Amino acid sequence: DAGITQSPRHKVTETGTPVTLRCHQTENHRYMYWYRQDPGHGLRLIHYSYGVKDTDKGEVSDGYSVSRSKTEDFLLTLESATSSQTSVYFCATLSREGSYEQYFGPGTRLTVT
Amino acid sequence: SQQGEEDPQALSIQEGENATMNCSYKTSINNLQWYRQNSGRGLVHLILIRSNEREKHSGRLRVTLDTSKKSSSLLITASRAADTASYFCATDGGSNYKLTFGKGTLLTVNP
Repeated sequence: DAGITQSPRHKVTETGTPVTLRCHQTENHRYMYWYRQDPGHGLRLIHYSYGVKDTDKGEVSDGYSVSRSKTEDFLLTLESATSSQTSVYFCATLSREGSYEQYFGPGTRLTVT
Repeated sequence: SQQGEEDPQALSIQEGENATMNCSYKTSINNLQWYRQNSGRGLVHLILIRSNEREKHSGRLRVTLDTSKKSSSLLITASRAADTASYFCATDGGSNYKLTFGKGTLLTVNP
């Protein structure tokens, strides 16, 4: 698991509530990524970070925000959850700069009712 | 938008047989990777092939890359039940080491 943990692992929430997912890594990797995985879509990049306080949007960033105040933590926030955000969310880190290999966390299954 | 598209979407074989999965992509790349995902787990990197390479091996895995056809294939030889998983190709997606993933091939190896 390359020292990546995600919390919570499962969450059920109601439409309109804010939700924050946490990704924690212990390997001091500079680059971190948030993906969502949906049937028929594979993995799609939501946001990524290239350093503390340095973040940028990915392919499907609408409705999501991120923060990275420490190297080890990358937070994904759904400001007002919608049913279309029901998904499995994966965090990943870049194994090392110069390589495109990514390590993935175990995922968070989020259900918005 | 998806860069890679795997084919077939699902593949069912018997233990001991070889499994071949294909990936097609749309734009030029620097490298292409294959990842495996067991049910309910995160993705695990299998192998990376660079655009100037045509073939690469790792254990029972063989990857080919044809940049003229914008396609890659992953061959798993002598498959085992433990190879049952989804397999994804990923291409480099611009700056900051971003990746673009395909939709995956679900491989089932029957004992």
